[in-house]
Amino acid sequence: AQTVTQSQPEMSVQEAETVTLSCTYDTSENNYYLFWYKQPPSRQMILVIRQEAYKQQNATENRFSVNFQKAAKSFSLKISDSQLGDTAMYFCAFMKYNNNDMRFGAGTRLTVKP
Amino acid sequence: DAGITQSPRHKVTETGTPVTLRCHQTENHRYMYWYRQDPGHGLRLIHYSYGVKDTDKGEVSDGYSVSRSKTEDFLLTLESATSSQTSVYFCAISTGTSGTDTQYFGPGTRLTVL
Repeated sequence: AQTVTQSQPEMSVQEAETVTLSCTYDTSENNYYLFWYKQPPSRQMILVIRQEAYKQQNATENRFSVNFQKAAKSFSLKISDSQLGDTAMYFCAFMKYNNNDMRFGAGTRLTVKP
Repeated sequence: DAGITQSPRHKVTETGTPVTLRCHQTENHRYMYWYRQDPGHGLRLIHYSYGVKDTDKGEVSDGYSVSRSKTEDFLLTLESATSSQTSVYFCAISTGTSGTDTQYFGPGTRLTVL
C-alpha cells in the first residue's frame, strides 16, 4: 500500500517570507499523481497544486510551487511571499494512475505570523 | 466550489443508533467519494462510487455502507454508530471520467457519537 509521510507536524513563517513543506511517499508505481491540499480553519479542503508523475517539469500555481523528485519520492511545497491567509493545515496526497484510492499524509499545520 | 453540499453539517448521536449522511452534487460527476478525517491520519477513504448503484470499498470501510440511487446523491450510512466513528466526514467528487483526476471536496460533516 502507498504511504505518504509529512515529517513536519507544525511550521511557522513570517509574513512575506518563503516556507517549504516536506512530503515523501512510498510506491512501486511509475504512473501516479501527487497533490497538495490546504485546509484553513473553515475546514474546507482546497486544492493547491497537482503534479503528474510523468511530467518532469515542476507544477506552479502563482505563489505555490513544488519540487518533485521522482527518484527520491519527494514532493515538497514552496510558498513564496507568505500571506496571513496561508495559515492552514496542508495535506500531501498520492493517487495511483487509474485508481480511486487517494492516500493522504497526516498534515502540516502552517502558521503565518504578522 | 464544485457544487457539493453535505447534510447535516453537524450531528450528535448516541451509540447504537443509525446515522445517514448525505452528499449532493449539482454537476453530474460520475465519481463520488466518502472520507473520514481524524487527527494524525489525514483523510482516509471509506467508500466510493463510479456510477448509479456502482460502489466499492476504500481503506476504512468496516462499519459503513453507501448507496447511490441517483447521480447527484451519495449516501453514507452508519448502521449502528460507535464512538470510534466520531469524526469529520468529507464527500468528494472527481472531475475526470475515469476517477483518476483531481478530487474536490464538500464542506464536511462533524459527527459526534456519544
